[in-house]
Amino acid sequence: NAGVTQTPKFQVLKTGQSMTLQCAQDMNHEYMSWYRQDPGMGLRLIHYSVGAGITDQGEVPNGYNVSRSTTEDFPLRLLSAAPSQTSVYFCASSYSRTPGMERALGEQFFGPGTRLTVL
Amino acid sequence: GQNIDQPTEMTATEGAIVQINCTYQTSGFNGLFWYQQHAGEAPTFLSYNVLDGLEEKGRFSSFLSRSKGYSYLLLKELQMKDSASYLCAVRDGGGQFYFGTGTSLTVIP
Repeated sequence: NAGVTQTPKFQVLKTGQSMTLQCAQDMNHEYMSWYRQDPGMGLRLIHYSVGAGITDQGEVPNGYNVSRSTTEDFPLRLLSAAPSQTSVYFCASSYSRTPGMERALGEQFFGPGTRLTVL
Repeated sequence: GQNIDQPTEMTATEGAIVQINCTYQTSGFNGLFWYQQHAGEAPTFLSYNVLDGLEEKGRFSSFLSRSKGYSYLLLKELQMKDSASYLCAVRDGGGQFYFGTGTSLTVIP
């Protein structure tokens, strides 16, 4: 198993450019999510998905779009990059909560991260 | 809203024991998680509590009191490689994860 993979590892954009951060997992996890991590702010949830075809907003969704056409892939799109989006982006996946199996399934597995700089 | 608090920084001596506290307020509760994150790397899972009490995994233990909205991570026999950030996270009733800002632990000789 490759686990959670993210591409690219590093990216530099100019203000106004658009791009897609790729995320894939091969663990058949229903739940996938995108976080950004900024100094002193911790991990903040951008968007998440509880299964193919279902997405929802997290704490900081503005400026980002997601889609979930397959269980494996969960790309994050920056529509028009801004310097405020300079950050480290992590994709994560886990099993969703399963009634009667609360103790069994829940940890998130993180990808290696994408370091994005917007000039 | 969701609120998760943990100390910003801690320092401890190699071989000692350190306790990192976390308090939380969330809408619903589906588990409390501790992650370790070394500088420049992704978070890695350490422990998971969904019921009150202590969970032990080798040198690491985690405690949960749901009535008090409180957890701690206990690290024993500290090693230099334990220098890292420790993230407390709570999964709420809707399944979302919320993270604290992390505790930066420095282990000194």
